[in-house]
Amino acid sequence: AAGVIQSPRHLIKEKRETATLKCYPIPRHDTVYWYQQGPGQDPQFLISFYEKMQSDKGSIPDRFSAQQFSDYHSELNMSSLELGDSALYFCASSLVGIREPETQYFGPGTRLLVL
Amino acid sequence: AQRVTQPEKLLSVFKGAPVELKCNYSYSGSPELFWYVQYSRQRLQLLLRHISRESIKGFTADLNKGETSFHLKKPFAQEEDSAMYYCALKETSGSRLTFGEGTQLTVNP
Repeated sequence: AAGVIQSPRHLIKEKRETATLKCYPIPRHDTVYWYQQGPGQDPQFLISFYEKMQSDKGSIPDRFSAQQFSDYHSELNMSSLELGDSALYFCASSLVGIREPETQYFGPGTRLLVL
Repeated sequence: AQRVTQPEKLLSVFKGAPVELKCNYSYSGSPELFWYVQYSRQRLQLLLRHISRESIKGFTADLNKGETSFHLKKPFAQEEDSAMYYCALKETSGSRLTFGEGTQLTVNP
């Protein structure tokens, strides 16, 4: 079965540069979530989108922005990168429905290293 | 605010021994609880959700609202169970997951 796809898998940037992370949800899933996992830490929720509208916002810095497009893929844009932004960025997708409990399926993550 | 606590960062058992990974939560409403597993170099995978009351790969977890716990148990651990396990909570009013710190389980031969 198709899973959540994230690209790129690895990214190296320098301080003050920008980065764009992409997420392609499981087909027919309507909700996308972004999580940030720092070294040795648990995943922290950043932001989510349902049907192309922002549905929830967590601890996402103002330097970051995200959106969900008409084909349901999502992009996380990160500007003025800082060393502390080095982390594994997970995307997850789910289908909000009434028949089954909503379950988030995770992508493999994008490992961002800021030098 | 909701919080998930996994008191053990590292847990090591021998093959065939019982294993219990502890998870406690604090949340004022009725949460949904999940266990996710992350094998080496792989993505987070859903292992269990309390709503389904299922057993996956021999693992079970019971939601104890009185003790606000959702411990993960397996009677006989296998080497292939070695992985990082995360307990996660979803609020009734939202969709975001709040994760615990994770427990690295190592099953020794």
